Amino acid sequence: GAVVSQHPSWVICKSGTSVKIECRSLDFQATTMFWYRQFPKQSLMLMATSNEGSKATYEQGVEKDKFLINHASLTLSTLTVTSAHPEDSSFYICSTPERSTYEQYFGPGTRLTVT
Amino acid sequence: TQLLEQSPQFLSIQEGENLTVYCNSSSVFSSLQWYRQEPGEGPVLLVTVVTGGEVKKLKRLTFQFGDARKDSSLHITAAQPGDTGLYLCAGAVGNYQLIWGAGTKLIIKP
Repeated sequence: GAVVSQHPSWVICKSGTSVKIECRSLDFQATTMFWYRQFPKQSLMLMATSNEGSKATYEQGVEKDKFLINHASLTLSTLTVTSAHPEDSSFYICSTPERSTYEQYFGPGTRLTVT
Repeated sequence: TQLLEQSPQFLSIQEGENLTVYCNSSSVFSSLQWYRQEPGEGPVLLVTVVTGGEVKKLKRLTFQFGDARKDSSLHITAAQPGDTGLYLCAGAVGNYQLIWGAGTKLIIKP
């Protein structure tokens, strides 16, 4: 299966600052990346879908101006949390789908803590 | 809105016992996937079931897809502490997206 890396694995930032999370597909070209948010002991919540070379599609209730997604190349998608607040603290995970089976290959996740 | 109800949400059992996790929906899925996630890591795919009535086995784990492709189950035989984790079911819909169950937090006590 595909190998997806994510960086950083954890980050602590102060309230009001911005944080960028990178998601890279290491062994194939990822035209689609999904960004999820996960709270402790809960399931995944899809935030947005990014497609290479086009604007991301955000799920209802997700502020596109707060969670900026860029997918400028077939191997890199980034999520920037702007003006972070403590309630943005969460585990953020990216994934890319295998196009014939819909199976998703996940990055290892980024733990964001906003103080 | 498509929903995938997963139960139980939490299960703590002794090593050696058997257990079953269920995922049910009123929607038909083209396929259903099961993932396992450990703390601080991304989910890892265990299996995909595609055909109604399909049964797949992965060592002590048995996965079944309902005949109508609306429900699925995961059965673990003789659970081991290494089976501890969060188990997630996900149904495939269009645009490569998945509808996720709420997850089952499984703890196997030695």
